[in-house]
Amino acid sequence: EPEVTQTPSHQVTQMGQEVILRCVPISNHLYFYWYRQILGQKVEFLVSFYNNEISEKSEIFDDQFSVERPDGSNFTLKIRSTKLEDSAMYFCASNPDRPSTDTQYFGPGTRLTVL
Amino acid sequence: DQQVKQNSPSLSVQEGRISILNCDYTNSMFDYFLWYKKYPAEGPTFLISISSIKDKNEDGRFTVFLNKSAKHLSLHIVPSQPGDSAVYFCAARPNSGGSNYKLTFGKGTLLTVNP
Repeated sequence: EPEVTQTPSHQVTQMGQEVILRCVPISNHLYFYWYRQILGQKVEFLVSFYNNEISEKSEIFDDQFSVERPDGSNFTLKIRSTKLEDSAMYFCASNPDRPSTDTQYFGPGTRLTVL
Repeated sequence: DQQVKQNSPSLSVQEGRISILNCDYTNSMFDYFLWYKKYPAEGPTFLISISSIKDKNEDGRFTVFLNKSAKHLSLHIVPSQPGDSAVYFCAARPNSGGSNYKLTFGKGTLLTVNP
């Protein structure tokens, strides 16, 4: 069964460093998302992406964040200058071409630890 | 602003009995609801969903009930099995008709099924 994959599974970085989290959505999906979950809190929406552009972003997704689909398969989340409070699990998700009736499928997540 | 609320942080049931997980929402624009199951250090796994035009959806041991007037949904698991022990997230989204179908999650309920 097709699945969303994410790399790395765990990323440790120093505060102020740039990180890039990578995702490979399910191949025939067209809608892509990033969510995050701070330890002990709920899963929060960060950004959605469709047709090579951001369709919506949350308040969390400030100028330090960016997303890119550099080729036909990868979907990346970049944090330019990490802060301690960016430490969280980051989940990538994707939807097929009928998101009104189909569910979002999530990847296994990347645990980001900012020291 | 908790648009999706899961008021029970945890639930413990005996194997073979029914598990009932509850979820309330406040946003009347939500019209599609999903339940996800999550194990530690893994991504949310889709379980079952329901559209607002229905009041019940069943898939094997899992049934979701929706009461639109009360803005309440519940997930029933019958019979419960030890392997069902996980955190269960309720999620909702609007049928925006656009290019964004972001999910709003509840805080989750930790279900423990005791042998």
